[in-house]
Amino acid sequence: DGGITQSPKYLFRKEGQNVTLSCEQNLNHDAMYWYRQDPGQGLRLIYYSQIVNDFQKGDIAEGYSVSREKKESFPLTVTSAQKNPTAFYLCASSIVTTGGRGKLFFGSGTQLSVL
Amino acid sequence: GNSVTQMEGPVTLSEEAFLTINCTYTATGYPSLFWYVQYPGEGLQLLLKATKADDKGSNKGFEATYRKETTSFHLEKGSVQVSDSAVYFCALSRDDKIIFGKGTRLHILP
Repeated sequence: DGGITQSPKYLFRKEGQNVTLSCEQNLNHDAMYWYRQDPGQGLRLIYYSQIVNDFQKGDIAEGYSVSREKKESFPLTVTSAQKNPTAFYLCASSIVTTGGRGKLFFGSGTQLSVL
Repeated sequence: GNSVTQMEGPVTLSEEAFLTINCTYTATGYPSLFWYVQYPGEGLQLLLKATKADDKGSNKGFEATYRKETTSFHLEKGSVQVSDSAVYFCALSRDDKIIFGKGTRLHILP
């Protein structure tokens, strides 16, 4: 079955530690996105990528980094510079056409907590 | 800039009641508009969409009409069910970004 797989489902970070969240898709989508979800805040865009080896900052990129070395994969690293990392992280993908933009397919999310 | 504003929740209704969740947007040009739904512990799923003015999106008994004159995309359902309990997000697509509202939590009582 085609879809987006996020792992792990739960992740704990110690002070000063970098952690990486995995996102893999087999939908053959060009575009991939990372959102952060906090209670009462909705979804906020961290990074997005329209094509391999290229990505852009979203609205809250500080303290995060990404890579897009393969079409299928878009890992997100939460660095020690992110002082409030506890949140639910959602990865999504979409096709890149005028009609397809905005129709996002989401993974089931990773809950990151600070120890 | 582009933004989406939707009514704050939680919204609590009895089964078979009529539902409206308001959504208004600010955007340059002509964005596409969407409603997504998030069930507990899951990612979001696309519920419906509209790509131009006066388009009506519909799915699973839900409807929303793209109103350019009022910059709105209100979600409606004539008779809600307990299984509709979820968080609903209004969103717009403009250029390469998809911008979401803060979400409205809906509780349906049996």
